[in-house]
Amino acid sequence: AQSVTQLDSQVPVFEEAPVELRCNYSSSVSVYLFWYVQYPNQGLQLLLKYLSGSTLVKGINGFEAEFNKSQTSFHLRKPSVHISDTAEYFCAVTDNYGQNFVFGPGTRLSVLP
Amino acid sequence: DVKVTQSSRYLVKRTGEKVFLECVQDMDHENMFWYRQDPGLGLRLIYFSYDVKMKEKGDIPEGYSVSREKKERFSLILESASTNQTSMYLCASSSQGRDYGYTFGSGTRLTVV
Repeated sequence: AQSVTQLDSQVPVFEEAPVELRCNYSSSVSVYLFWYVQYPNQGLQLLLKYLSGSTLVKGINGFEAEFNKSQTSFHLRKPSVHISDTAEYFCAVTDNYGQNFVFGPGTRLSVLP
Repeated sequence: DVKVTQSSRYLVKRTGEKVFLECVQDMDHENMFWYRQDPGLGLRLIYFSYDVKMKEKGDIPEGYSVSREKKERFSLILESASTNQTSMYLCASSSQGRDYGYTFGSGTRLTVV
């Protein structure tokens, strides 16, 4: 069975500072990893995904994530955040079949002026 | 632009009412999902479907049923709404295989009074 851990439930950060949102997963098979963002009162939107190839993945809005198989991690980073990045961020994993995703509990990013 | 459309953004219903939440996707996706999202509990899978007229229980199916008569439409039914079903409901769809991730609707915030 797969599982996803997001250790930080809330991350406050000042505008223009860097941020890292942590994601760790467990799985007995090969996995494919995703980050989603949810703005207030909206559905989830895909930020980026890792399927294969380069372990550094770039997504929308200046975010990137690095897949680390040995540490079973897929941390999300942004070098300089904006107020508009305030949202909830979800890490998700699926196996080869891609039909069922397992989501982490989410990290609420608050960007302060 | 691909879309998953949920019929209502906000809904208020009375205890005991039968409630229908509709979800339509225009991407010819095989897979469709219903989640509920509650503070501190993340996303929890209610039901999913991999094909027309097919349905599978997710992690929390009690009190819910679903219908998928056409490929593009997946309906969630609350047979007799209760106050503990007050929540944000998210519909998602995906294609067979893993490449595309989920596409989410904007969500329906249901309040049962």
